Amino acid sequence: KAGVTQTPRYLIKTRGQQVTLSCSPISGHRSVSWYQQTPGQGLQFLFEYFSETQRNKGNFPGRFSGRQFSNSRSEMNVSTLELGDSALYLCASRRTGGAAKNIQYFGAGTRLSVL
Amino acid sequence: SQELEQSPQSLIVQEGKNLTINCTSSKTLYGLYWYKQKYGEGLIFLMMLQKGGEEKSHEKITAKLDEKKQQSSLHITASQPSHAGIYLCGADPRGAQKLVFGQGTRLTINP
Repeated sequence: KAGVTQTPRYLIKTRGQQVTLSCSPISGHRSVSWYQQTPGQGLQFLFEYFSETQRNKGNFPGRFSGRQFSNSRSEMNVSTLELGDSALYLCASRRTGGAAKNIQYFGAGTRLSVL
Repeated sequence: SQELEQSPQSLIVQEGKNLTINCTSSKTLYGLYWYKQKYGEGLIFLMMLQKGGEEKSHEKITAKLDEKKQQSSLHITASQPSHAGIYLCGADPRGAQKLVFGQGTRLTINP
């Protein structure tokens, strides 16, 4: 079974631009979550999507948004990029039923550098 | 909000030695997850603990959950170079459907 796939792996953008990151969950997983990882703040939850609906949101500004498609694939968008948005963005998927429903499986991440 | 504190923050051990990493929660633990991360890469799921006193093992890694102490420990026996990386504990705040993570423990194995 293929794991969580994130594209692209690396991105370089300049301040003020916007960026879209993509995540394909494990087949059969309907929940997708996004996290931001930085050396200073560690791993922080951005949001979770299930059945194309955002179910939970972390403490991030409105410049960070996401969506989920009917095939459970998800995208996150960051508009008006700031230098502080440079980070590793991780996507995780999980089952929503069964004994292992709470285990989140992570992709390899997208490393975003904002210049 | 729930916070997780890991200790130590970094650890350097000689190959073959045993080691322990601790994760302490500011609130009751309803689910505790251990992950391993190679630098700059994604997280690899190791183990999930849900009940007080629960202990799980995978190869040479054992994790325990002490519900009363709101703490979990990860123990590696006879460490190998392949164990090197960053170990992160994550908790599932009840009903929150998200994970909060500790700051990570960077493990280096010297040959």
